[in-house]
Amino acid sequence: DTEVTQTPKHLVMGMTNKKSLKCEQHMGHRAMYWYKQKAKKPPELMFVYSYEKLSINESVPSRFSPECPNSSLLNLHLHALQPEDSALYLCASSQAGLAGGGNEQFFGPGTRLTVL
Amino acid sequence: AQKITQTQPGMFVQEKEAVTLDCTYDTSDQSYGLFWYKQPSSGEMIFLIYQGSYDEQNATEGRYSLNFQKARKSANLVISASQLGDSAMYFCAMREGPGRRALTFGSGTRLQVQP
Repeated sequence: DTEVTQTPKHLVMGMTNKKSLKCEQHMGHRAMYWYKQKAKKPPELMFVYSYEKLSINESVPSRFSPECPNSSLLNLHLHALQPEDSALYLCASSQAGLAGGGNEQFFGPGTRLTVL
Repeated sequence: AQKITQTQPGMFVQEKEAVTLDCTYDTSDQSYGLFWYKQPSSGEMIFLIYQGSYDEQNATEGRYSLNFQKARKSANLVISASQLGDSAMYFCAMREGPGRRALTFGSGTRLQVQP
């Protein structure tokens, strides 16, 4: 299985809502990532989890709260978002080793989030 | 300074012809990795090809090859025999150093293959 799945595919939420994005992989990868991609822009890294521990937080506002309940799952909890948070949210996974090799990241299809 | 530069916002190519997408990078690390991803309009990022900084041979994967010129800090993607399904956004990305996992992406090149 070489697939990263993300749910939901589309999400519309108000600024007072609480919602969660989910990501799952069964490739045995121990590094997982959240990226945010605005229209016509490249993906921007938000968070990195390595062996289920948060290793990188790219100064993301606290209204985004990541969670890695186990090695296959990655969640992104959303609360009190702003309209400018509307974007495509991409999850990725990779091998966790850094000693060599490409350790390419495999991406999911993304969740298109609209904040009203 | 930008770490990854893609100078071609858009490119057109005729079906069955080859096309080169440019990518230059900036790093002071000796160990780094360079990646190319394809993003169709559906949004999913599809991994195409990888080149390590110590790899002596240019990477190839099917119709994709990477023209790696280390001294010039360039890692251009060559797509041979273009197909209509190759129409997409293409991103060059870099992972610096042996201790980092994060990818830095260039601004992308939108490729349109014409019949």
